[in-house]
Amino acid sequence: SAVISQKPSRDICQRGTSLTIQCQVDSQVTMMFWYRQQPGQSLTLIATANQGSEATYESGFVIDKFPISRPNLTFSTLTVSNMSPEDSSIYLCSVEDPRAEAFFGQGTRLTVV
Amino acid sequence: DAKTTQPTSMDCAEGRAANLPCNHSTISGNEYVYWYRQIHSQGPQYIIHGLKNNETNEMASLIITEDRKSSTLILPHATLRDTAVYYCIVRNSGYSTLTFGKGTMLLVSP
Repeated sequence: SAVISQKPSRDICQRGTSLTIQCQVDSQVTMMFWYRQQPGQSLTLIATANQGSEATYESGFVIDKFPISRPNLTFSTLTVSNMSPEDSSIYLCSVEDPRAEAFFGQGTRLTVV
Repeated sequence: DAKTTQPTSMDCAEGRAANLPCNHSTISGNEYVYWYRQIHSQGPQYIIHGLKNNETNEMASLIITEDRKSSTLILPHATLRDTAVYYCIVRNSGYSTLTFGKGTMLLVSP
């Protein structure tokens, strides 16, 4: 299993500002995943982050809005840029082990006012 | 789009077995059935997965029909802490992405 730590756990931000969310894993992993969970909704994949290459974004998500860094095999960041109230969501980091079992962080609860 | 269909919600009495159904009629031969759950205010938690044989672990049992078009997750003795949203997901093995549907909200009551 993998232990994932996300920071911050929650934040309240002003519209127009940006927030960077950090994800730290206790083991080296090839791919890390970032999800968004809007209020009352299921999880939606934002992007897949590979170490040493640019992240791969899902339809509806763009790098300018959600830039991702992956500097090494245990760490990644997701930035939510130029925030609006519609960005209020829980953002979750995830990794998978070789048996394709996914592990998730506790999430970052973002409120944009 | 999610490739599975689940009931929106289910109730279960504490101590009884909870049987959560999932339809995946378009599943292909190399796709596995995965189950995750999400307890309120937490990230999703892996429960179990299988290809065609029934599987059991310390958390649950997974029963997959012979034609693989549906499956049932069984929590043999539900507790209040099993109250959560349960997601049934069909995916290829390896590093393909997870597509979450709406899941089943299981409420375990005293």
